Parts: sequence; C-alpha cells; structure tokens
Amino acid sequence: DAKTTQPTSMDCAEGRAANLPCNHSTISGNEYVYWYRQIHSQGPQYIIHGLKNNETNEMASLIITEDRKSSTLILPHATLRDTAVYYCIVSRVKAAGNKLTFGGGTRVLVKP
Amino acid sequence: NAGVTQTPKFQVLKTGQSMTLQCAQDMNHNSMYWYRQDPGMGLRLIYYSASEGTTDKGEVPNGYNVSRLNKREFSLRLESAAPSQTSVYFCASSVGTVGEQFFGPGTRLTVL
Repeated sequence: DAKTTQPTSMDCAEGRAANLPCNHSTISGNEYVYWYRQIHSQGPQYIIHGLKNNETNEMASLIITEDRKSSTLILPHATLRDTAVYYCIVSRVKAAGNKLTFGGGTRVLVKP
Repeated sequence: NAGVTQTPKFQVLKTGQSMTLQCAQDMNHNSMYWYRQDPGMGLRLIYYSASEGTTDKGEVPNGYNVSRLNKREFSLRLESAAPSQTSVYFCASSVGTVGEQFFGPGTRLTVL
C-alpha cells in the first residue's frame, strides 16, 4: 500500500474551514484514500473515503487531485470538538479484508 | 446497537502471564481487526479476519494469537506477556473490504 505524508500539526480557528493536506505520490489505481480521526485516546472515527472523485458527507469533503497524488480533507466549519489527530490512509481493496496502515497523522488544534 | 465492545477496559499483567482480550460487534459485519497503538504512534494491525472462519496476520503478529469464535466475536490472546506488549489495543469491524471500519473504545494493557 502507498505511503502518505502529512504535516505533523496545524492550528485552525473555530468556525473557519480547516484544510488538511495529504501527499500520496505513489498511490496505485486501485487504492482508496481514507481519512480517520482520533480524539484523545478514543478509538479512531471514520470520516470519509474516495477513489477518484471528490466526495462529501455530513462531516467533511475530500478533494483528490486529478493525478491522485495528493488530497485535501476539508472540515467546513471547525469546532472545538474537531480537535484531534487526523490520519490519511491509502489502502488497496483486497478480498481478504481492508487493512489500514496508520501513520503519524496531523494533530489539529481548533482554537477559539 | 452497542457497536463494537471490548473487554476489559484496563488490565495489568506481569511478564509471562497470559490473557485474552475480547471483542464483539452487533452490526452483522463480516470483517474484524485487532490493532495496537503505542504512545504517540499510529495504530498497527496485529491480525484480521475477513470473514467467519478465516484469520490472517497483519503487520505485527508476533506474540499474539486470535480466534474468530463466530461472526460476532474476535478474541486476541497473549500467551506469555512481555513489557513490549504494553499498549492500547483496539478492535474494529467492517461490513466488507471497502468502506468504514468501526472501532471499539480500546483496552489499555500494561505489562510489568
């Protein structure tokens, strides 16, 4: 599975959009981009995933570049409860289960 | 629905002791996973089960065994605990090979 590169940390202002970048320059055509977050020491929480097209759900939007070498997770209106570590993961679809490889992630601090 | 439940929440073992971590899901998911998370690190996959009756090794399987007891339950056993196995253990489940994994609250294990 392709490796990902994310900033170690970033701050954003409450109420503003938070844009989290992720580089996955070695991604293959059959690999999905997943985003999860982990608040404090809780279990990770799924946010969104995509293959080629941009995706949006009630939590966030995922923008994938045309060459698929990078993506951006957008939290449209960050709140204090969005403070967490955000993981960008690239994973290949396999019949034997979807194995996720978590890197270091981006520690996001939402400030009042 | 309770989602993914894990027992116990906390455990302290002495080196050489054995124990089994229990995980159950009530979402009728096919796939189940065990991860560990060391302090300040991302999660690493220990074992997974793509479907009832099958199990396979992940990234860090040494020192662990698993049992997919039925569709609902997936247990992780430490036969002879070592201090290097001090970690937080997360169980997860998913419907299939693409999409969201649901995580449990974790078991915090300390091996002295």
